[in-house]
Amino acid sequence: NAGVTQTPKFRILKIGQSMTLQCTQDMNHNYMYWYRQDPGMGLKLIYYSVGAGITDKGEVPNGYNVSRSTTEDFPLRLELAAPSQTSVYFCASSSASGISTDTQYFGPGTRLTVL
Amino acid sequence: GNSVTQMEGPVTLSEEAFLTINCTYTATGYPSLFWYVQYPGEGLQLLLKATKADDKGSNKGFEATYRKETTSFHLEKGSVQVSDSAVYFCALSDQNDYKLSFGAGTTVTVRA
Repeated sequence: NAGVTQTPKFRILKIGQSMTLQCTQDMNHNYMYWYRQDPGMGLKLIYYSVGAGITDKGEVPNGYNVSRSTTEDFPLRLELAAPSQTSVYFCASSSASGISTDTQYFGPGTRLTVL
Repeated sequence: GNSVTQMEGPVTLSEEAFLTINCTYTATGYPSLFWYVQYPGEGLQLLLKATKADDKGSNKGFEATYRKETTSFHLEKGSVQVSDSAVYFCALSDQNDYKLSFGAGTTVTVRA
């Protein structure tokens, strides 16, 4: 099993550009998440999804959009990149039980720099 | 709201030394508690978890006990190896939720 995969691994954007970070999982997990990790900080939840067609905002959603058309894929869209969005982005998924004891499985991350 | 406070790093140790990373939390009810580890260049992976008071999670020689009376979940390992060099995150999920709240992470470096 590949688990959670993310592309690209690295990307440099200019201010105002847009891009989509891809995330795919092959574990048939209903729950998927996007986090950002800033230096010296814990992970902050951007958006999450409890199933295809259902998404909701996390702690820091401004400047981002998501969609969930299939169980496997959960892309994150940056429309107008800003330097404040320079970060490492992690996608994660967890099982369909959606309870507090679930383990989340993380992808390897995308390191994004906005200049 | 929920919050997790971790011991600040970085922590540098020699091989075979004892490691402890403090973690305390604030949450309503009975959260589940987790330690995730991030090895260099990789994503986070679950190290251990405990889902109710007095439970002890253990894995790869690491242990942590869920102490409700002190709202703590300290991570310990008796004899660290160079391969334990990583960033360690304490996290919780509220009993009525599945979303995680993370601490800031503690960077551990083990020298041979």
